[in-house]
Amino acid sequence: GQQVMQIPQYQHVQEGEDFTTYCNSSTTLSNIQWYKQRPGGHPVFLIQLVKSGEVKKQKRLTFQFGEAKKNSSLHITATQTTDVGTYFCAGPKGYSTLTFGKGTMLLVSP
Amino acid sequence: DVKVTQSSRYLVKRTGEKVFLECVQDMDHENMFWYRQDPGLGLRLIYFSYDVKMKEKGDIPEGYSVSREKKERFSLILESASTNQTSMYLCASSLGHSQGVGDTQYFGPGTRLTVL
Repeated sequence: GQQVMQIPQYQHVQEGEDFTTYCNSSTTLSNIQWYKQRPGGHPVFLIQLVKSGEVKKQKRLTFQFGEAKKNSSLHITATQTTDVGTYFCAGPKGYSTLTFGKGTMLLVSP
Repeated sequence: DVKVTQSSRYLVKRTGEKVFLECVQDMDHENMFWYRQDPGLGLRLIYFSYDVKMKEKGDIPEGYSVSREKKERFSLILESASTNQTSMYLCASSLGHSQGVGDTQYFGPGTRLTVL
């Protein structure tokens, strides 16, 4: 079945350093979504990428969708303590369900 | 704004008890989902529903059942709770009608269930 893998599982950075998480799917995706879950919170939708090679930015966050639509990345420039949380990618599976990656937990030290 | 609410933030039950987790969404969404979240295992889909009275098994349905009698409400039932069902349970909803495109999902705050 479809699998979505994320790496790294965990990353600890100093405030101001950059951070990247990678997402790889075993199948071609029609779109990919990214969610963020703050500690003690619930996943919150960040963005959806649809087109091959698409790049979208949200302030310091840059999202990319691979040319083959099987991989994606989220890059955070100059991390801040407010970026702490777990970042999940998710791809469509079947009728309106999503397959989530296991997430990358980001810790930022001041 | 979409609002998804869950009946309890924290719940403690004993082994063998019947447990009901309730979820309500206020945006007339077609689809509703129940996940459990465990450290290192990510989000795992238990059941989902794409219409009233319709349900589909997710990846880990064993030990659970669901009920959707009204469009806005989706209940997760643990018929006989066991200690290995101690987890964070997250409800989500999505608009629907997308035929496999994969709707954005909106999550509730979660219920942390402990089974003793």
